[in-house]
Amino acid sequence: GAVVSQHPSRVICKSGTSVKIECRSLDFQATTMFWYRQFPKKSLMLMATSNEGSKATYEQGVEKDKFLINHASLTLSTLTVTSAHPEDSSFYICSARAIVNEQFFGPGTRLTVL
Amino acid sequence: DQQVKQNSPSLSVQEGRISILNCDYTNSMFDYFLWYKKYPAEGPTFLISISSIKDKNEDGRFTVFLNKSAKHLSLHIVPSQPGDSAVYFCAASSRDDKIIFGKGTRLHILP
Repeated sequence: GAVVSQHPSRVICKSGTSVKIECRSLDFQATTMFWYRQFPKKSLMLMATSNEGSKATYEQGVEKDKFLINHASLTLSTLTVTSAHPEDSSFYICSARAIVNEQFFGPGTRLTVL
Repeated sequence: DQQVKQNSPSLSVQEGRISILNCDYTNSMFDYFLWYKKYPAEGPTFLISISSIKDKNEDGRFTVFLNKSAKHLSLHIVPSQPGDSAVYFCAASSRDDKIIFGKGTRLHILP
């Protein structure tokens, strides 16, 4: 099946710094990528939908200026957590959707803000 | 190696009847299981979950059963409705909270 990678898999940063997470579709072109946040033992929360070459669509309650999303190419989307705080510590998962409308999930990135 | 397996890629059920979606897992470290529902062109949405200390969790028309000895869980939907037609993902997590998803089962509710 199609493969979606995320980098890094784990990141620890200091409060106030910014962290960039990459999501790549390795063997297909993704017209749309999704970014999710998972809270411990709880469901995935969709944060935003990004389409290649256009601005991301953010879900209600998600701060656009804090979670910057760039979908620069059909195989790469990035999520930048700006001025990170401990409450931003979470598990972030991306998924990528190909033209055939199937969605594939990345392995996730564990962010810990100290 | 698939740690979460949904062996039925698709399932068709008559409206009003019970839909049963199955899921098997191999990792005994999993302690939390989730089901997600996904419509075409949308992201998956959380449906129901169950902790490994329970063997059943019910929420309205949806019930999840967990058989730890068999490493098997199932999602029951009764009665099935047309809006239930979607892809259902089984997922599991362990103490590090990383989610492992199955490949999904496409459910068709027939009129």
